[in-house]
Amino acid sequence: NAGVTQTPKFQVLKTGQSMTLQCAQDMNHNSMYWYRQDPGMGLRLIYYSASEGTTDKGEVPNGYNVSRLNKREFSLRLESAAPSQTSVYFCASRYRALDEKLFFGSGTQLSVL
Amino acid sequence: GQQLNQSPQSMFIQEGEDVSMNCTSSSIFNTWLWYKQDPGEGPVLLIALYKAGELTSNGRLTAQFGITRKDSFLNISASIPSDVGIYFCAGSDSNYQLIWGAGTKLIIKP
Repeated sequence: NAGVTQTPKFQVLKTGQSMTLQCAQDMNHNSMYWYRQDPGMGLRLIYYSASEGTTDKGEVPNGYNVSRLNKREFSLRLESAAPSQTSVYFCASRYRALDEKLFFGSGTQLSVL
Repeated sequence: GQQLNQSPQSMFIQEGEDVSMNCTSSSIFNTWLWYKQDPGEGPVLLIALYKAGELTSNGRLTAQFGITRKDSFLNISASIPSDVGIYFCAGSDSNYQLIWGAGTKLIIKP
């Protein structure tokens, strides 16, 4: 049982480059989330999708876009990467938005030079 | 954005010692959660608390939902090397969004 799978594991970008972080879950979860983790800041919500076909902004959405491709997949796109977006990115899912238990992927370490 | 106040930021302990950490908030939460993050991995749920005053155990871990609903505590008894990592608290607000603490990094002295 793979759970939540994120790709890539590591990525280095130059300022201004674009990229898409991929996330897929095989637990038949309805809700999916993108977080970023910075030292001393805990986890901050970027975007989320409460159910297939919907997406909403979280706490720090600027500079990002998302696509809920289908029930399984939720991607995060950086259109023009900036050094401030250097972070560890986590995708997470839960069965429904009312469910407290969140399941995380193993993260993407992104460095923007 | 809103964050929980989690303390301490880090702890250096000897193997076998007991560990205590806590989270406080200015807001009331309906649910408190404790997660652990191992190096290079995503957080994993340890304990979920649903009622004020509730005390719940998971092996050597015990967590409590404060009676004011504004705080929660996590204790680890007789720490072992695999306990190292970052422990996060999270509160679930009235919109079922999770608000996270900044984490407590647990380091075991050799």
